[in-house]
Amino acid sequence: DSGVTQTPKHLITATGQRVTLRCSPRSGDLSVYWYQQSLDQGLQFLIQYYNGEERAKGNILERFSAQQFPDLHSELNLSSLELGDSALYFCASSVDPAANYGYTFGSGTRLTVV
Amino acid sequence: DAKTTQPTSMDCAEGRAANLPCNHSTISGNEYVYWYRQIHSQGPQYIIHGLKNNETNEMASLIITEDRKSSTLILPHATLRDTAVYYCIVRGEVYNYGQNFVFGPGTRLSVLP
Repeated sequence: DSGVTQTPKHLITATGQRVTLRCSPRSGDLSVYWYQQSLDQGLQFLIQYYNGEERAKGNILERFSAQQFPDLHSELNLSSLELGDSALYFCASSVDPAANYGYTFGSGTRLTVV
Repeated sequence: DAKTTQPTSMDCAEGRAANLPCNHSTISGNEYVYWYRQIHSQGPQYIIHGLKNNETNEMASLIITEDRKSSTLILPHATLRDTAVYYCIVRGEVYNYGQNFVFGPGTRLSVLP
C-alpha cells in the first residue's frame, strides 16, 4: 500500500458519458499529479495540483478537468467519453511541488469505455 | 524529444544481479537521473535517483558514469517479484513546480526461475 488511494479501481461506462475519478494523496503530501496510461501512448502526464492550485498542465483534453479540494483529495472529471479514453488513470502525490524525491503513485483506476 | 535510451527488454536469472543500462548522452549539468519501475498494471514505483555520485538504497544501486552520459541500475539479487518495466528518466532539479516526469517506453525486465 503506497498510501495514495484511488477510487474506483474499475469503471465501465458508455460513450458520451461522464465519470469522476477520485484520488486521496499520501498523508502530508500537498501535490497531486494525474497520468493516463493507454496501450499505445504509455504514461502521459495530464495535470498537477499543489495545495489546491493548478501548477502544471500536460496534454490534457478539454473534455477532461480536475480539481484539488481543501482536504487535498483530487478528482479527475472525464466527460463526453470516447472509446479512445479507455485507459489506466494514475494519481501520484509528493510532499513538495517539485517532487525532487519522486512521486508516490496510487494503484490506478481502469476505465473502460464501451 | 527522448532524453534517454533503454533496451526494450532484458532477461535475468533469479538470484543474479540485474543490470539495466540507460543512455542519456545529452544530459545537462543540473539534470538528475531517476528510475521508476512498474509491475504489471500497478502504479509506477520510485526506485532511486542521482546526480553524479553513485547511489544505493534498500532497493537498488545507481551507477552513473563519470561523463554522466549513461547509467546503470543494479538490482543485486533479482527475484521473480522484480519482473517489471523499468523507466529511466532525466529531469532537472526543480525549485518550484512545473517539470513533471516524462516516462518513455522503458525496459521490460523478466526475471526467470
